[in-house]
Amino acid sequence: EAQVTQNPRYLITVTGKKLTVTCSQNMNHEYMSWYRQDPGLGLRQIYYSMNVEVTDKGDVPEGYKVSRKEKRNFPLILESPSPNQTSLYFCASSPRDRTNYGYTFGSGTRLTVV
Amino acid sequence: KQEVTQIPAALSVPEGENLVLNCSFTDSAIYNLQWFRQDPGKGLTSLLLIQSSQREQTSGRLNASLDKSSGRSTLYIAASQPGDSATYLCAVSRGADQAGTALIFGKGTTLSVSS
Repeated sequence: EAQVTQNPRYLITVTGKKLTVTCSQNMNHEYMSWYRQDPGLGLRQIYYSMNVEVTDKGDVPEGYKVSRKEKRNFPLILESPSPNQTSLYFCASSPRDRTNYGYTFGSGTRLTVV
Repeated sequence: KQEVTQIPAALSVPEGENLVLNCSFTDSAIYNLQWFRQDPGKGLTSLLLIQSSQREQTSGRLNASLDKSSGRSTLYIAASQPGDSATYLCAVSRGADQAGTALIFGKGTTLSVSS
């Protein structure tokens, strides 16, 4: 089944403790992105990647890192999480031809930083 | 800067009604527009994708239209059912003159269908 898989689904952590949220897609998509969703603010892009070893900042990149060493994986790294990073996170992917094909989203990771 | 607005923010209807959800965007230079469904605390499920050159797309009881020149899209749901209760999100892809591959989302319309 074509899908984007995120892990973990739920995570509670303490301020300052480094964490990684994994994202993997099995559709051979070139583009991958991370979004966060917050009440009243909607979905906002954190980082994106246009292909292996090519990443760039989205609209809200502060406090996050990403890497794209393999085409299928795009982990989101929080080096020193803070409570304002408590949110629902989504990974998404799409093929190079974005005009004709849309984005596929993962099931989300609910992160709580205390 | 592209902005996407969805009206209404919330909608309650009895089962069986036909309904229309609205989406407007400020920059008509888009690659495509996608409608998603999100159940509470869950992921996003793609419902329909309308390419920039298309006027509408249909899937079952759903029909989405796109008018790029006026910056509008509508999602029509026929014969609504309680199972349609969810938040519906509209998203446009960035225009060709903007860097990045992001989707710009509206804040959604939360639909409640009562039996």
